Amino acid sequence: GQNIDQPTEMTATEGAIVQINCTYQTSGFNGLFWYQQHAGEAPTFLSYNVLDGLEEKGRFSSFLSRSKGYSYLLLKELQMKDSASYLCAVRDGVTGGGNKLTFGTGTQLKVEL
Amino acid sequence: EPEVTQTPSHQVTQMGQEVILRCVPISNHLYFYWYRQILGQKVEFLVSFYNNEISEKSEIFDDQFSVERPDGSNFTLKIRSTKLEDSAMYFCASSDLAGGTDTQYFGPGTRLTVL
Repeated sequence: GQNIDQPTEMTATEGAIVQINCTYQTSGFNGLFWYQQHAGEAPTFLSYNVLDGLEEKGRFSSFLSRSKGYSYLLLKELQMKDSASYLCAVRDGVTGGGNKLTFGTGTQLKVEL
Repeated sequence: EPEVTQTPSHQVTQMGQEVILRCVPISNHLYFYWYRQILGQKVEFLVSFYNNEISEKSEIFDDQFSVERPDGSNFTLKIRSTKLEDSAMYFCASSDLAGGTDTQYFGPGTRLTVL
């Protein structure tokens, strides 16, 4: 089975740093994705990890530990527009495409002044 | 920047009616997906499609659902006889193998309301 856990909601201050954690237990693993979703809109791709370690992309970084079934998304220099839901998703198939994503419930981040 | 498009943005239908949701994936992508998100819940996989056939489907994707790529650009999801519980946001996504990440890019969604 698939189980992906994230905190339901978090609050942070504009300009600060926030870390959103995700733990997973899945029957297979071929990459972990982070998406941002504003209310009523589509998920937007943020980052991808398939090997252990940190991937940095501007204000966003994502970390993966496959042995621990753990990932986090780090957002720096928070802006009000970063208020959104952040979705952790695991791809469980083999490399080659056509593989479904299993999503967590998402972490609703609220950025305050 | 290329993007996935979906029509209509909102569809209201009566229970028992057929609906067709349309998607135009990114033009050089080869893999196509449908997901749904019931209000306040997580995004759920429905079906993946490659080389003109279904490659994987979930338990949600029962006999009432079908997908088709009728021409070189459109990808459709048909629900034959809608139920109240089919009310959700339906997202189409597409991907390719560029760079090996096979990232799925999502369309803006169709909000389906079944009355």
